[in-house]
Amino acid sequence: EAQVTQNPRYLITVTGKKLTVTCSQNMNHEYMSWYRQDPGLGLRQIYYSMNVEVTDKGDVPEGYKVSRKEKRNFPLILESPSPNQTSLYFCASSREGLSPGELFFGEGSRLTVL
Amino acid sequence: GIQVEQSPPDLILQEGANSTLRCNFSDSVNNLQWFHQNPWGQLINLFYIPSGTKQNGRLSATTVATERYSLLYISSSQTTDSGVYFCAVAKTSYDKVIFGPGTSLSVIP
Repeated sequence: EAQVTQNPRYLITVTGKKLTVTCSQNMNHEYMSWYRQDPGLGLRQIYYSMNVEVTDKGDVPEGYKVSRKEKRNFPLILESPSPNQTSLYFCASSREGLSPGELFFGEGSRLTVL
Repeated sequence: GIQVEQSPPDLILQEGANSTLRCNFSDSVNNLQWFHQNPWGQLINLFYIPSGTKQNGRLSATTVATERYSLLYISSSQTTDSGVYFCAVAKTSYDKVIFGPGTSLSVIP
């Protein structure tokens, strides 16, 4: 089954404790992206990647890191999480490398930073 | 940058009713999608429709790119249709996707 898989789905952590949210897609998509969703602010892009070893900042990259060592994986790293990073996070992928094309989303990861 | 508006912001329907949701965008786009976010937070693809008309069961969508709007039709609504409906657009192949603010739909029995 074609899908985008995120883990963990739910996480409660404390300020400053490094964490990684993994994202994997099995559709051989070139484009991958991370979004966060907050009440009243909608969906905002954090980082995106048009291909392996190519990443770029979205609208709200501060406090996050990403890497794209393999085509299928695009982990989101919070080196020192803070409470303002409490949010619902989505990973997405798309077939085209240059165009976002049709986006497919993972199921979301709900993160709480205390 | 491109602006995306959706209307209405909120909608309450009796089960079985029909509805039309609208997405207006401020500039030409080459990418438009409709999503449904269910009450559990999952984002589900409905249509990839930069132009033309598509149908999938009780749902259909039409995008009139020259007039910068898209419509999502829901017929014979069911309680499982409840949630938030987003449209998302991108102006060109090199632009990021911009999401509209969403239409929150509640279908009551």
